[in-house]
Amino acid sequence: GAVVSQHPSWVICKSGTSVKIECRSLDFQATTMFWYRQFPKQSLMLMATSNEGSKATYEQGVEKDKFLINHASLTLSTLTVTSAHPEDSSFYICSASIQGRSGLSPLHFGNGTRLTVT
Amino acid sequence: EDKVVQSPLSLVVHEGDTVTLNCSYEVTNFRSLLWYKQEKKAPTFLFMLTSSGIEKKSGRLSSILDKKELFSILNITATQTGDSAVYLCAGGLYNTDKLIFGTGTRLQVFP
Repeated sequence: GAVVSQHPSWVICKSGTSVKIECRSLDFQATTMFWYRQFPKQSLMLMATSNEGSKATYEQGVEKDKFLINHASLTLSTLTVTSAHPEDSSFYICSASIQGRSGLSPLHFGNGTRLTVT
Repeated sequence: EDKVVQSPLSLVVHEGDTVTLNCSYEVTNFRSLLWYKQEKKAPTFLFMLTSSGIEKKSGRLSSILDKKELFSILNITATQTGDSAVYLCAGGLYNTDKLIFGTGTRLQVFP
């Protein structure tokens, strides 16, 4: 159980275009989903916390107008990278926690999306 | 600022060796310490520790937490090439499900 599906697994886009990444919890409800970014050989950096039905909470230094997050239902959160630039090329991973287990929930991760901006 | 630091950053061993990975943390509202294994894609969950001194074990892997000294270790005995991966530790907090990840330790096991 506790499967998180992320789509697409990889995407190549041209500079200036926008890319949408989807994260779905397949067999549980996730009131909260998290979006992480990982550069090669570096750790996971939290970008934002996505709450169902409300605005996302962004970490310091993350541009909310560039990384648009929508969490319209208990099973789906989307991250849109707007006006992508080559420096946005990275590995983006979403994760979700089962409702109501703050700090005790071993976050379930999607398989990630490798974004390459040319 | 919350911080999780892992050491060593990388480790190269031969099959059959035993390795110890270290994780120290300074996390406000700390509740749990988690270990993950990341190969090519998503991290997979290994352990979650909430109490000091209680070892968690799964096969050749084991882990323990020291909440007084603010660190945890992950031991892997009789390493195999399939253990090659990046091992991440993360701090879990009260009142939120977000995790603060460490820098990771890249383990390479050669035959």
